[in-house]
Amino acid sequence: GAGVSQSPRYKVAKRGQDVALRCDPISGHVSLFWYQQALGQGPEFLTYFQNEAQLDKSGLPSDRFFAERPEGSVSTLKIQRTQQEDSAVYLCASSGGLTSYNEQFFGPGTRLTVL
Amino acid sequence: GQQLNQSPQSMFIQEGEDVSMNCTSSSIFNTWLWYKQDPGEGPVLLIALYKAGELTSNGRLTAQFGITRKDSFLNISASIPSDVGIYFCAGQTSNTGNQFYFGTGTSLTVIP
Repeated sequence: GAGVSQSPRYKVAKRGQDVALRCDPISGHVSLFWYQQALGQGPEFLTYFQNEAQLDKSGLPSDRFFAERPEGSVSTLKIQRTQQEDSAVYLCASSGGLTSYNEQFFGPGTRLTVL
Repeated sequence: GQQLNQSPQSMFIQEGEDVSMNCTSSSIFNTWLWYKQDPGEGPVLLIALYKAGELTSNGRLTAQFGITRKDSFLNISASIPSDVGIYFCAGQTSNTGNQFYFGTGTSLTVIP
C-alpha cells in the first residue's frame, strides 16, 4: 500500500485479556518499529525489526509484550494479560526505502483502552 | 526511555505570525527528524536533517541541525490555521542503531 496501515484502529479490552495489534508497513521497507504513546507524550520506542529479525526489544515494558514479524513484512504486537497501564496509542513505523533509509513513516496507530 | 526536551510546550499565535520551536538533548545525535501529529493520527514526517549545521526547508517550514549536534530548531513562517497540531522532534544517536528518541511535543494553536 501507499502508507503504513494498522488495525484495529481502536481496541477496548477488559483487564486480563490478551490483545493483538497488526501493522502493515510500506511495501519494501526493511525496518519496522513499534512505539507506545501515552496521552500528551511523545512516542516511546518499544521494539525494532530488520526484515524478520528482532534486533532490539529493549523498550518492551514487560514480558507480557511480544512482537513478531515472521516473514519480514506484516508485524503483530501482542500484549498478554492486559493491565490498565497498557492503555495508550500503539504506533507502528517503517523505514528503509531506497531514498530515505533513516526516515520513519508512521501508521495511524491503534488506541488501546484497558478497562 | 529517554525523551528530548522540547520547548515551548504550547504556543498560541495569530494567523500570519512566524513560529519557532526547539529541541535539546544531553546526547549527541547524528539524525534529527521533525514530525507533525494531528489528533487521532500518527505523526507525519516534515523534515529530516543529517549533518550538523544543515538547514533544510519544506515550504513554509525550515529546520536546522544544531552545530553542537545536541539541538535542533523548527521554524514555521506565515502560519495558517491548518498548521494547528502537535510538533515532535526525534533524534537518533550512533549508539542506538535505528532507535529514535522523541521530544515531549509542542502544541501549536493558530488563531484566525
